[in-house]
Amino acid sequence: AQSVAQPEDQVNVAEGNPLTVKCTYSVSGNPYLFWYVQYPNRGLQFLLKYITGDNLVKGSYGFEAEFNKSQTSFHLKKPSALVSDSALYFCAVRDELTGGFKTIFGAGTRLFVKA
Amino acid sequence: DADVTQTPRNRITKTGKRIMLECSQTKGHDRMYWYRQDPGLGLRLIYYSFDVKDINKGEISDGYSVSRQAQAKFSLSLESAIPNQTALYFCATSDRQHSGANVLTFGAGSRLTVL
Repeated sequence: AQSVAQPEDQVNVAEGNPLTVKCTYSVSGNPYLFWYVQYPNRGLQFLLKYITGDNLVKGSYGFEAEFNKSQTSFHLKKPSALVSDSALYFCAVRDELTGGFKTIFGAGTRLFVKA
Repeated sequence: DADVTQTPRNRITKTGKRIMLECSQTKGHDRMYWYRQDPGLGLRLIYYSFDVKDINKGEISDGYSVSRQAQAKFSLSLESAIPNQTALYFCATSDRQHSGANVLTFGAGSRLTVL
């Protein structure tokens, strides 16, 4: 079955420090991977995607993600965290078993950035 | 105005009542989706539609129905609401032209409480 796993319910980091939010995936074939962010009382917003090409993908708000095929991972990273980065982050994968028209989401990781 | 608008934003109702959540979009996207968000479970797909004449069940469609009144409008109904349908509901859209990525645009969400 196609799936994504976010092993951490919560990540705490101090402002200015680097942050990593982890994601692993299980798909048949080549994965289409995504990160979305949800700020309080808001809908999800697209951050970045990996389809093919460079393993390091750059996205919005200074975020980037590293695709690692051997470890089946797609971790979200940022060199220097901001308090305003505090939010709920979702990793997602395109569901190839249904023709790629559906998206499967992880359970989410809450990021707290402390000033 | 938001690209994807959901109404109502908040609703409290009683068990057994019929509830309709509405979604309209100005993106011109042909694909529309209804997701449900529960803490610790991420987002789960309820129904999706690729055009006005195409409606498909998602992973948790029991107890829900949908109507695609026009390309821009997609409503979700709970015929007889029950307390375990208390959740945050999101409408989303995506563009067939860029279907390779299937990046989703979300509404702000409709918080439903069933007493």
